[in-house]
This record gives sequence, structure tokens and C-alpha cells, in this order.
Amino acid sequence: SQKIEQNSEALNIQEGKTATLTCNYTNYSPAYLQWYRQDPGRGPVFLLLIRENEKEKRKERLKVTFDTTLKQSLFHITASQPADSATYLCALDDTGGGNKLTFGTGTQLKVEL
Amino acid sequence: DAGVIQSPRHEVTEMGQEVTLRCKPISGHNSLFWYRQTMMRGLELLIYFNNNVPIDDSGMPEDRFSAKMPNASFSTLKIQPSEPRDSAVYFCASSFFAGAEGEQFFGPGTRLTVL
Repeated sequence: SQKIEQNSEALNIQEGKTATLTCNYTNYSPAYLQWYRQDPGRGPVFLLLIRENEKEKRKERLKVTFDTTLKQSLFHITASQPADSATYLCALDDTGGGNKLTFGTGTQLKVEL
Repeated sequence: DAGVIQSPRHEVTEMGQEVTLRCKPISGHNSLFWYRQTMMRGLELLIYFNNNVPIDDSGMPEDRFSAKMPNASFSTLKIQPSEPRDSAVYFCASSFFAGAEGEQFFGPGTRLTVL
């Protein structure tokens, strides 16, 4: 069966450190993968998109990698800040290049002073 | 732009009642998505439309759920009759789809409680 797995445990890190979140998937062949941020009581907000032929994508303090052999994406936040505390969701293209997404359950990140 | 607009923001109803959730997508977007989020199951796609046409409703849990998009600026999700297990946060999202990937813009959600 198809499955998208993210760290089920909350991730607590110290301010200034790099946070690394994992997204593993099985039985999908996504053409792309997206990462979203969700704050309590709000809808998800798009952060980054990476295509299957891209190994790495960066945006300011954010970096995403995509390994289609390992079926894994890593999401990094460098120089983390308390304001980065949120739940982060990965989402896979479910139709090999269309616009239907399937979301992982998310990882809660807490950045402490 | 005001972003995706959803109403109501909160809805409390009793089992058996009809519930209608409303969504106004971002102007110019041609795709609209309805999601449901619970602690147990996470964020699940219920149905999505491209150019006002339903493309995939495989996520709609059962016949009690129905969705319409009569025009490019309005969509409804109806639950009739509602049950306590329908309690969740329902999100509407929109995007511009031109044959390839696109980021989705989510509304603030409707928190539904069915007693």
C-alpha cells in the first residue's frame, strides 16, 4: 500500500542549530514533492517544491533534498529560530505530474532558546 | 488579494443535521481542493476540481458528503446527515494549474463539531 512517513515524534532543538526533518514514501512515483508549514489554528503554507530530477533546492535558510532511489526527502532549516516552531508537512504528487497531492502526517518542530 | 476565504470558521451542530461549508478561491486560480484534517488521519484530500469540473472524488468518505463548484469563484461541501465522526477541520485550497505542479494556497479552515 502507499505510505508517506514523517518523524512521528516531535523534534526539539536549540536555537541556532540545524533542524532536519525526514519524509519517506513507499509505492509512489512522484514527479515532485512539496513542503508546507502549518501553525496551530491555521492552514498549511507552501514553502518549497522539488522535482524528481532535482537533487537539492534552497530558499534562504531552507534546504530540501530529494532522493528518488531511497524514496526520501530531507528538509533542513539552518540557524533555526523560535519562530520556526511549527508543524512541517511533506506532500507528494499522487498522479505522476498532475496537481493532486497526498500529505504526510507532519513533524512538529520546537526551537528552544 | 484576500487569499482563500472559508465560511463559517466554526460550526457546531447536532447529529443528523445538514452542514454546508463554503469556499471562495483566489481569483484566477483554476483548481480547488477540499481537505479534512484530524489528529488520527492527518490531512486528507476529499475532492478536487479543475476548471469547475470534479476530477477526483475518491477521498469523499461516503454518500453523505457532496461537493459542488457552480462557478470559478465559489464551492460548497455539504454533509447530510452529519455524524459525530465528521468532526474535523475542513480546509479549502486553490491553485493555478497549467499542466504541471503548482503550490496550493490554503484557507483558514472550518472547525466542525458534530454533537
